[in-house]
Amino acid sequence: SQTIHQWPATLVQPVGSPLSLECTVEGTSNPNLYWYRQAAGRGLQLLFYSVGIGQISSEVPQNLSASRPQDRQFILSSKKLLLSDSGFYLCAWSFMGQETQYFGPGTRLLVL
Amino acid sequence: KQEVTQIPAALSVPEGENLVLNCSFTDSAIYNLQWFRQDPGKGLTSLLLIQSSQREQTSGRLNASLDKSSGRSTLYIAASQPGDSATYLCAVIGTYKYIFGTGTRLKVLA
Repeated sequence: SQTIHQWPATLVQPVGSPLSLECTVEGTSNPNLYWYRQAAGRGLQLLFYSVGIGQISSEVPQNLSASRPQDRQFILSSKKLLLSDSGFYLCAWSFMGQETQYFGPGTRLLVL
Repeated sequence: KQEVTQIPAALSVPEGENLVLNCSFTDSAIYNLQWFRQDPGKGLTSLLLIQSSQREQTSGRLNASLDKSSGRSTLYIAASQPGDSATYLCAVIGTYKYIFGTGTRLKVLA
């Protein structure tokens, strides 16, 4: 069976510091991978998705970037965090060519 | 551009009541629709997935319906319990994308 992991679960970072959130999927190959963010008082919004290694599509302009160095690894990064980057970050995966997504446990980020 | 709206934003009911949560979307060209539950500070728990060719799905005390032509879905919760207290999210599913509503925050009072 497939499993998705995210870490860390919680993170408190000062403004201007770098960020790296990691997501890995086990038990499948060539998954599509996704990063979503849930900001306070707002709905979940798709940030990035990837259909293969090194292939990243960005949905909204922002202070963040994503990378996929390995087939089942998806990383969300920032060089300098902003207060507005605070939120709950969810990683998800889907079988290639299918629409149904499976969500990870999330990372709660607080930028102070 | 697809927009998903959930009404009401918050709901408080006494235990045992049957209740309906609403989800509306502006573009009927969707693949599927999915309902989730989110507990405070936690991730998403999938409740029901309705494929675009289906009209409803049932799981235990939950029943979700989908009317693509009118751009609506409802989640019916029968005999609500305090353990049902959570935020309920609907998401319309398109190519490479889930578009979420802002949720209904449900509180079931004992």
